[in-house]
Amino acid sequence: GAVVSQHPSWVICKSGTSVKIECRSLDFQATTMFWYRQFPKQSLMLMATSNEGSKATYEQGVEKDKFLINHASLTLSTLTVTSAHPEDSSFYICSASPPFESYEQYFGPGTRLTVT
Amino acid sequence: TQLLEQSPQFLSIQEGENLTVYCNSSSVFSSLQWYRQEPGEGPVLLVTVVTGGEVKKLKRLTFQFGDARKDSSLHITAAQPGDTGLYLCAGGKAAGNKLTFGGGTRVLVKP
Repeated sequence: GAVVSQHPSWVICKSGTSVKIECRSLDFQATTMFWYRQFPKQSLMLMATSNEGSKATYEQGVEKDKFLINHASLTLSTLTVTSAHPEDSSFYICSASPPFESYEQYFGPGTRLTVT
Repeated sequence: TQLLEQSPQFLSIQEGENLTVYCNSSSVFSSLQWYRQEPGEGPVLLVTVVTGGEVKKLKRLTFQFGDARKDSSLHITAAQPGDTGLYLCAGGKAAGNKLTFGGGTRVLVKP
């Protein structure tokens, strides 16, 4: 299957600082990537759809000014958590779909964010 | 609002037993994916079904897509401890579009 990587795998930051998480599709180009967050023992919650070359589409209730998404190339999307607070601590996961009318989405290994 | 309901939420069985996880919706989906996730890792795609009534087998795992493409099931035969994990179903309306995830089923297979 297709490979998606994330960096960093875990990060600890202080309250009020910003953190950037990278999502890369390693062996395919992805015009669309997705960002999710997951709380312990819960399912995935879609935050936003990242579109290469255009603005991201955010799900209802997700603050676009707090969770900045940039999809500057066909293999890289970044999520920046701005002015992080302890309640932003979570497991953030990205996914990407291969091109050519594929239904499959391949997920990155996730990034554990802890805000102190 | 699209909604995928998974049942049961938690399943604990002994090694060698069979289990079935259900994924139900009132909406029609173009595709249904099943994923397995282990703690601290991203979900791993197990299968994609796109045709109503479709049945796919992956070793001891059997996946079925309902005729009306509103529901799906995952059946594991002779479960092993390595099958332990969080099983997630996800429905898609079109290729490349966002997925709607079910609430997940946590499976524990005891040796």
